[in-house]
Amino acid sequence: AQSVTQLGSHVSVSEGALVLLRCNYSSSVPPYLFWYVQYPNQGLQLLLKYTSAATLVKGINGFEAEFKKSETSFHLTKPSAHMSDAAEYFCAVTAPFGNEKLTFGTGTRLTIIP
Amino acid sequence: DAGVIQSPRHEVTEMGQEVTLRCKPISGHNSLFWYRQTMMRGLELLIYFNNNVPIDDSGMPEDRFSAKMPNASFSTLKIQPSEPRDSAVYFCASSPPGALSLSNQPQHFGDGTRLSIL
Repeated sequence: AQSVTQLGSHVSVSEGALVLLRCNYSSSVPPYLFWYVQYPNQGLQLLLKYTSAATLVKGINGFEAEFKKSETSFHLTKPSAHMSDAAEYFCAVTAPFGNEKLTFGTGTRLTIIP
Repeated sequence: DAGVIQSPRHEVTEMGQEVTLRCKPISGHNSLFWYRQTMMRGLELLIYFNNNVPIDDSGMPEDRFSAKMPNASFSTLKIQPSEPRDSAVYFCASSPPGALSLSNQPQHFGDGTRLSIL
């Protein structure tokens, strides 16, 4: 079985500052990992995914994440926060075979301080 | 391109009533997922279909919940009878065929149905 833990249900950063959202995974097999973003009153939108190719994955809107097997982590970063980044972010994990479903974390709400 | 379309966007009804949520997946996608999102429990997968066949319904809370996918372009989630604890935002998502496995493909979410049971 797979699971993810997102540290910090709420994160606040100043506009222009580094964004770091933490995600640690647990998986008995090499995982596939995803970050999704949810804006108010909308569904989730894929930011980026790791599927066992390059460990540093670049996504939309300037976000990237690095898969670190030794730390079982897949943290999401952005060098400079923008007001439009305010949203809820979800990390998700699945197994890379068969019809395995996505397991989502509890989410991190990102607030940008002007 | 049209995304995943859910209807209605909002539903308010009294407990005991039947509720039907509808979803039209993206054309060409062959997997469809129903999720429920609440503050207390986060995002929960209720059921998913592959090629119109239910693959895993272990997340369906109880027999009051049922889901169907009669064809590749339509799915329903029904709650009968509804209870106040069913109040949540219900999302439908779809994903395209994967080269190797279902999990390789990202899911595309609709904007959800906000359900309130009084």
